[in-house]
This record gives sequence, C-alpha cells and structure tokens, in this order.
Amino acid sequence: QVQLEQSGTEVKKPGASVKVSCKTSGYNFIDYDVNWVRQAAGQGPEWVGWINPKDGETGSAEKFQGRVTMTRDTSMKTAFMELRGLRPDDTAVYYCARLTEYDFLDHWGQGTQVTVSS
Amino acid sequence: QSVLTQPPSVSGAPGQTITISCTGSASNLGAQYDVHWYQQFPGRAPKLLIYRNKNRPSGVPDRFSASKSGTSASLAITGLQAEDEADYYCQSYDSTLAGHVFGTGTTVNVL
Repeated sequence: QVQLEQSGTEVKKPGASVKVSCKTSGYNFIDYDVNWVRQAAGQGPEWVGWINPKDGETGSAEKFQGRVTMTRDTSMKTAFMELRGLRPDDTAVYYCARLTEYDFLDHWGQGTQVTVSS
Repeated sequence: QSVLTQPPSVSGAPGQTITISCTGSASNLGAQYDVHWYQQFPGRAPKLLIYRNKNRPSGVPDRFSASKSGTSASLAITGLQAEDEADYYCQSYDSTLAGHVFGTGTTVNVL
C-alpha cells in the first residue's frame, strides 16, 4: 500500500533551517509529484510547494520563495523540504502528500511538528 | 490567507443532513479547476474524502456527497453520525496564485 513516512519532531531557534524528509513506498516514486503542506495549530492547511521526482523540477507558493528548497533522492524514494530563516510563525505541522494528475492529494504523510522558539 | 471560504462550523443531530459550502472566485472554482474535499481528525493528517468535485475514494461512505457549480462547491453529509465530527476542508488550484489553495475549514459538530 502507498505510504509516506516523515521524519520526526524538530525544535529550532529563529533564523535556523530545518530539513524534513518524506520516505515513500508502495508506488513508483517518480510517477507522482510530492507536495508539501503546512498547518499551524488551529488553522487550515497551507500549501508550501512541490517537487517532480522524475526531473527534480520544483515550485512553491510565493510567500516561501527564496526560503524553501525541495529536493529528492530517487534511489531512496525520498523527498525533502528545507525551510531557511525560520521564524516563530513557521511553527506548524508540515505534511508531505502525493499529488495525482488531477491535482488532489490522495496520500499523506503523518506530519512533522516543527517548532521555532528562542 | 485562504482564498476559499467555508463556514467556521456546522452542527446537526444524528441522522440529519448538513451541508458545507466552499466559495471561491474566477481564478479557482470559477475556472476549470476541480474541487476536492478532505476530512481531518484532531492530531491526524487530512484524509481525502471527495475528489474531482463529486467522486468518493473507495472506503468513503456514500452518505458523503458533493457538487460544484460556478464559483461555489458544497459537501453534504446525510444521516449524520457521531464519527463524522471532524474538520472538513475544500481544496482547488488557483491560476492567479499559481498554486494549490485550501478552504478556511469547517468544524462539524454532532449534537
């Protein structure tokens, strides 16, 4: 079955960087874009960006451009999201999710809590 | 901020029917982009509930149904059950923002 397994909880200081991993299994990794979505406590989901595992092409929401980098390791079937210049309002649960050709997210990781605090 | 607007909460008694609206604009729901719905329980990841406006993934009960018209969409839950208490989010693509957008979210309370 399709699974996305994310790395564990992170606690960072303002200005630091965080890199979250998303290890996939149960499907052909290069056939589906991996998207990243974050959700602050009590808030709705917020789309962060995407990566095409086949060619490494990426895109992100305008508010994250210049601060976020998405990469992948096809041999490990794993996608990564790095967010730099962390601020307290970056505190959220970060999810990876598989995007279908019809632009919906059909499988999600369990989420990674990222807390930014001095 | 979210570009898809939902009511903050909807309540109903067991067995009743409730509907959740999702209002967008010409650059998302009003364009050719589909709307999808997710269900989320506290502390859990969102789960796909409806895809491409009206389709249920396997395993989703048929008491969940949805539709889309113009710049709006709606999700209906018929025969409401206690286990349906959760947060519900719509999602689409926005051509102006060049990215995916989520609704503001609706908490369903079963009285």
